[in-house]
Amino acid sequence: GENVEQHPSTLSVQEGDSAVIKCTYSDSASNYFPWYKQELGKRPQLIIDIRSNVGEKKDQRIAVTLNKTAKHFSLHITETQPEDSAVYFCAATDNFNKFYFGSGTKLNVKP
Amino acid sequence: GAGVSQSPRYKVAKRGQDVALRCDPISGHVSLFWYQQALGQGPEFLTYFQNEAQLDKSGLPSDRFFAERPEGSVSTLKIQRTQQEDSAVYLCASSPSTDTQYFGPGTRLTVL
Repeated sequence: GENVEQHPSTLSVQEGDSAVIKCTYSDSASNYFPWYKQELGKRPQLIIDIRSNVGEKKDQRIAVTLNKTAKHFSLHITETQPEDSAVYFCAATDNFNKFYFGSGTKLNVKP
Repeated sequence: GAGVSQSPRYKVAKRGQDVALRCDPISGHVSLFWYQQALGQGPEFLTYFQNEAQLDKSGLPSDRFFAERPEGSVSTLKIQRTQQEDSAVYLCASSPSTDTQYFGPGTRLTVL
């Protein structure tokens, strides 16, 4: 099955700086890569996703890049704000029936 | 519209008790998923339904875990003879089809 690894496990940045979280996957058949944000005690919420037919996708301060050859994808958050503080999870799937999640990155944005 | 809902939000069980966790998916969503999330970890797949059919239960950790979705809407995850290692947050998600998954708030199960 698929194996998704996520780094770093914790990330602390100053407000206004950028944050980058990286994930690698093992199954070359994976073709859909969502990113979820989970605040303490709350549900994971989709923040951005990318399909394997594109290399980059951007939504305001958030962007995701995908390198299919190297089997890795990254989340980029620019101009970070304190409300960006949360745990972020990447995931991968090849059929939308089973998502394989990374172990999460705890992002702390210091005011 | 209403999102995925789960009940109860918190459940404390004594070791050996049976528990039942409920998931109400988004109306019209064909697919329903259950995940187990241990503290500090990402969600791990348990099982998947398409309408009332359970198409994949490869993630269920033992035969003490059982899930059903008899009418293709509400689903129940049942854990028999709970053990301490079952303590986790159980997340339910639904999806319209080949699309992303929308998660419920989870049920935090603590087994004493």
